[in-house]
Amino acid sequence: AQTVTQSQPEMSVQEAETVTLSCTYDTSENNYYLFWYKQPPSRQMILVIRQEAYKQQNATENRFSVNFQKAAKSFSLKISDSQLGDTAMYFCAFMNLSTGNQFYFGTGTSLTVIP
Amino acid sequence: NAGVTQTPKFRILKIGQSMTLQCTQDMNHNYMYWYRQDPGMGLKLIYYSVGAGITDKGEVPNGYNVSRSTTEDFPLRLELAAPSQTSVYFCASSYMGRAPEQYFGPGTRLTVT
Repeated sequence: AQTVTQSQPEMSVQEAETVTLSCTYDTSENNYYLFWYKQPPSRQMILVIRQEAYKQQNATENRFSVNFQKAAKSFSLKISDSQLGDTAMYFCAFMNLSTGNQFYFGTGTSLTVIP
Repeated sequence: NAGVTQTPKFRILKIGQSMTLQCTQDMNHNYMYWYRQDPGMGLKLIYYSVGAGITDKGEVPNGYNVSRSTTEDFPLRLELAAPSQTSVYFCASSYMGRAPEQYFGPGTRLTVT
């Protein structure tokens, strides 16, 4: 089975500053996707960003970007210009294309943006 | 386009009771999933389906059953509820293609006492 590890249970950042959330994963597969999902207090799971393993270029979505290191099996999320609305749980997820689109989630990082 | 809808939003069950959690998606996605999220934890896959009539077990299937008779619906059945099934349940769907990310419903908070 694939494993996804988020080693930072809680983090905080000052508003307008930059924060990086860590994620590592373990797989023997070569063809997969990685995702970051945000879960605010409303409980709704919201996709933040997606990275295809075959792409060397790091994905970017507005203030959110990733640092994808395939050899190191590392997939960190950088949030720039943090906003109060970024306060949420953030989950890293791995999807193996050969197993029916099954997702494997990390245990999450609780991010608090401080005014 | 409602996306993924789940009912009910909240439910309290007594030990030994049964219930069905409903999930419907209107995006014509072929893949559907059920997860549970325990406090302070990530999501664990209960069951998934790659199309109507096809279901398979995930990581934590014991105590649950599913069926998929249509593309849109993927109900989750709890038989003989136990306190260990107290959790938040999420349904999700996806379409295998250039954008395989999963779209989630709002969740059902279930308490078994």
